[in-house]
Amino acid sequence: QKEVEQDPGPLSVPEGAIVSLNCTYSNSAFQYFMWYRQYSRKGPELLMYTYSSGNKEDGRFTAQVDKSSKYISLFIRDSQPSDSATYLCAMSNFGNEKLTFGTGTRLTIIP
Amino acid sequence: GAVVSQHPSWVICKSGTSVKIECRSLDFQATTMFWYRQFPKQSLMLMATSNEGSKATYEQGVEKDKFLINHASLTLSTLTVTSAHPEDSSFYICSASGLAGGQETQYFGPGTRLLVL
Repeated sequence: QKEVEQDPGPLSVPEGAIVSLNCTYSNSAFQYFMWYRQYSRKGPELLMYTYSSGNKEDGRFTAQVDKSSKYISLFIRDSQPSDSATYLCAMSNFGNEKLTFGTGTRLTIIP
Repeated sequence: GAVVSQHPSWVICKSGTSVKIECRSLDFQATTMFWYRQFPKQSLMLMATSNEGSKATYEQGVEKDKFLINHASLTLSTLTVTSAHPEDSSFYICSASGLAGGQETQYFGPGTRLLVL
């Protein structure tokens, strides 16, 4: 079993829909949870950063962490074609440690 | 803030030559930098962890004599692919670990695409 599980998709939704992306993990020591967005042939871009459990909102994006269930989510509201990318969840014990990544979910927003 | 650059963005070289890739943190100091390799439609594969002023720590299966890493300053790390062969062709991405905007995590460079002929 992988330390971090993420559905690779692909996931296609119509423009304007709410997108839900999820990851589960097995290591209860993880405290830092990140979502990165990666466009084709580009480096990953930090999208959301959460420490421990709770919710965090930034514009159209909301990240949720449930440490008791070892489950994290990223919600995208009012999805746009420009949101089409691969979304990677990542987590670590400490902020400056190496990250453990999910496999990434390929998302396509259909105009 | 939290900008990481890589140079070059792409490189084509002949088999047997060496290629150096630079990774710079432009607006913060990074005591730790990481080097990744990514194959098409796959996730990032960590190659090594680089700490300023000390030897890099390589992941299992990564040849340290093949992939030379130097982290000479708090803003610069280099990866040299020595005696490159076609199987080394890949997308190489660095990240720098730092504190920016109250968030201490990894910030990634734009990647370097290497093609070995």
